Amino acid sequence: QSALTQPASVSGSPGQSIIISCTGTSSDIGNNDYVSWYQQHPGNAPKLMIYEVNHRPSGVSDRFSGSKSGNTASLTISGLQADDEGDYFCSSYTRSSTLVFGGGTKLTVL
Amino acid sequence: EVQLEESGGGLVQPGRSLRLSCRASGFTFSPYVMSWVRQAAGGGLEWVSFIRSKASGGTTEYAASVKGRFTISRDDSKSTAYLQMNSLKTEDTAMYFCTRGIFRYFENAFDMWGQGTMVTVSS
Repeated sequence: QSALTQPASVSGSPGQSIIISCTGTSSDIGNNDYVSWYQQHPGNAPKLMIYEVNHRPSGVSDRFSGSKSGNTASLTISGLQADDEGDYFCSSYTRSSTLVFGGGTKLTVL
Repeated sequence: EVQLEESGGGLVQPGRSLRLSCRASGFTFSPYVMSWVRQAAGGGLEWVSFIRSKASGGTTEYAASVKGRFTISRDDSKSTAYLQMNSLKTEDTAMYFCTRGIFRYFENAFDMWGQGTMVTVSS
């Protein structure tokens, strides 16, 4: 199972919106609605931000939203804040009942 | 306090074995899917394995990179999950995180993570 494809980096200014894409195949993202997004700050464990494509866990800001079209999922962060800076990873359940992560995207808040 | 605490990491030679433990506290352990995710230094996340609850058959799944070498298990009486790692390779060197499914019986997203235990495979 190959890793999902994410851009290596994205950047934006405070207050702006950014989108991080995550491209898979018909065996993972295109096969179900079990896409998740995680945020990781340096030295910390990942934090779940989105599950099942567009659901936010309790306590996650509504500035974070998710969507999916075909084999590509997207994470949108609106009203960018300095604390949003970090690494973002997508993941998807697969046809084989396994999980696969994306390579990660480094978000820089300018 | 609801938390996961990993232990058992360390330095090991290629070809040897190591067993990681993940002790859970602050919640009812048995209904939850438990998973291991690893991260090489400066690298991305790689899912390793998960184990379903006993109520769901206690079945297990593995990434292709570890299948046949790693074994995940759980002891609900001790609220602990384990990862037995055999025939270790240098490419298994990583921080290993223990994680919990966001909801009971949920295996697709993980909302609770330990701080990780470092495994270094080197001669």
